[in-house]
Amino acid sequence: NAGVTQTPKFQVLKTGQSMTLQCAQDMNHNSMYWYRQDPGMGLRLIYYSASEGTTDKGEVPNGYNVSRLNKREFSLRLESAAPSQTSVYFCASRTGPNTGELFFGEGSRLTVL
Amino acid sequence: DAKTTQPPSMDCAEGRAANLPCNHSTISGNEYVYWYRQIHSQGPQYIIHGLKNNETNEMASLIITEDRKSSTLILPHATLRDTAVYYCIVIDDMRFGAGTRLTVKP
Repeated sequence: NAGVTQTPKFQVLKTGQSMTLQCAQDMNHNSMYWYRQDPGMGLRLIYYSASEGTTDKGEVPNGYNVSRLNKREFSLRLESAAPSQTSVYFCASRTGPNTGELFFGEGSRLTVL
Repeated sequence: DAKTTQPPSMDCAEGRAANLPCNHSTISGNEYVYWYRQIHSQGPQYIIHGLKNNETNEMASLIITEDRKSSTLILPHATLRDTAVYYCIVIDDMRFGAGTRLTVKP
């Protein structure tokens, strides 16, 4: 079982470049989430999608956009990367908005120079 | 800020019980408390959850106070592999906070 799959696992960008982090889950979950984790810090919620067709801002949405492409896939886009966006990004999913435990991907490590 | 507060760090001797506290004084009546742990920089892993009653599974036990304003995660016989950051979250909030870094010592 793949669970939650994130790509790429590692990425180095220059300031101002754009990129998209991909996330896919194969558990038929309705809700999906993007978090970032800075060194020595806890996870902070960037955006989430409670169900297919909906997206909402979390704690730290500035500088990011998301797309819930279908029930399986939820992408995170950095339009103009900044060094402050250097972080580890985690995607997660769960059964529904207030239901079930979160299943996390392995993380995508992004460095912006 | 997250709805939960936890001590930043704790130590525990190998083989002893580790008791990790969490305060969630603003929790609503129908909100579950979930616990996760994160080893190194891996994705957080689900441990246990509860609403009102105490819960136990193969990994841990969860004790929730009667007023539901706090809870304690118990790892009954901590091993070195339990060294990790432990997070409690209120499920409707989805914010993790900084968690408790548990170090299990030989």
